[in-house]
Amino acid sequence: DQQVKQNSPSLSVQEGRISILNCDYTNSMFDYFLWYKKYPAEGPTFLISISSIKDKNEDGRFTVFLNKSAKHLSLHIVPSQPGDSAVYFCAASRTKTSYDKVIFGPGTSLSVIP
Amino acid sequence: SAVISQKPSRDICQRGTSLTIQCQVDSQVTMMFWYRQQPGQSLTLIATANQGSEATYESGFVIDKFPISRPNLTFSTLTVSNMSPEDSSIYLCSVLRDVYGYTFGSGTRLTVV
Repeated sequence: DQQVKQNSPSLSVQEGRISILNCDYTNSMFDYFLWYKKYPAEGPTFLISISSIKDKNEDGRFTVFLNKSAKHLSLHIVPSQPGDSAVYFCAASRTKTSYDKVIFGPGTSLSVIP
Repeated sequence: SAVISQKPSRDICQRGTSLTIQCQVDSQVTMMFWYRQQPGQSLTLIATANQGSEATYESGFVIDKFPISRPNLTFSTLTVSNMSPEDSSIYLCSVLRDVYGYTFGSGTRLTVV
C-alpha cells in the first residue's frame, strides 16, 4: 500500500510558466513533508520542506502548499526554467527533529520546454 | 549540509557474485541509511546503520542478502550478496540533517547480468 502517492508520472511545462506537482498521502500520522529533486546519475537533493503546522512554505521560486484535511500537498515552481527538468519526489515522515522513516512517493518527471 | 561520497558510481556484475558499496561522509553522523531505487520505482529504505550496533533492516530486506558495516561515524558499506538480475537498481546512502532533511550520495548504479 503506497502511503505517498504522486499520480502524475510526468509533466511538461513551457519555460516561464508555472509547474505544479501534486502529492497525496494516506497516513494521518505524517507530520513533516519534503520535496527532493533528482537529476539522472545523481542522488536526490533536498528542495523544500513543510511541517504540518504550516500550510505554505516558500523558498525563492519554489512554494509548497499543504492541505492536511485533504492529505494533499503540492509544489509550485514559478517561473519554470529548463534547469528544473528533473524527477521530483514527494516524501513524508512522522517527525522532523528526530529520526523516523521517510516514505517516498514514486516521483514525477518534470520537463520544462524552452 | 553533509557531503557524501559514494563508490563505485556504477558497476556491472555477474550473477551470483557480491558487490560492496562504500559511503563516506565528511562529518560525523549517528545514523546512516541505505536506500534502493529499482527501475521506475521510488526510493525504498533497506536498512538503518548505527555505529557500534547491528543495522536495522526494513521488511523484505535481510542481513544475509544485504550485510552492512558501520565501523565509525563517517563510513558505512552495503554489500549486495549472491546477486541476481532482480538486484539491478540504484543504491543510495543517506544521512539525516535536521534542517535539510536527508542528504543523499550520488548513488551506485548496479546492473547484474
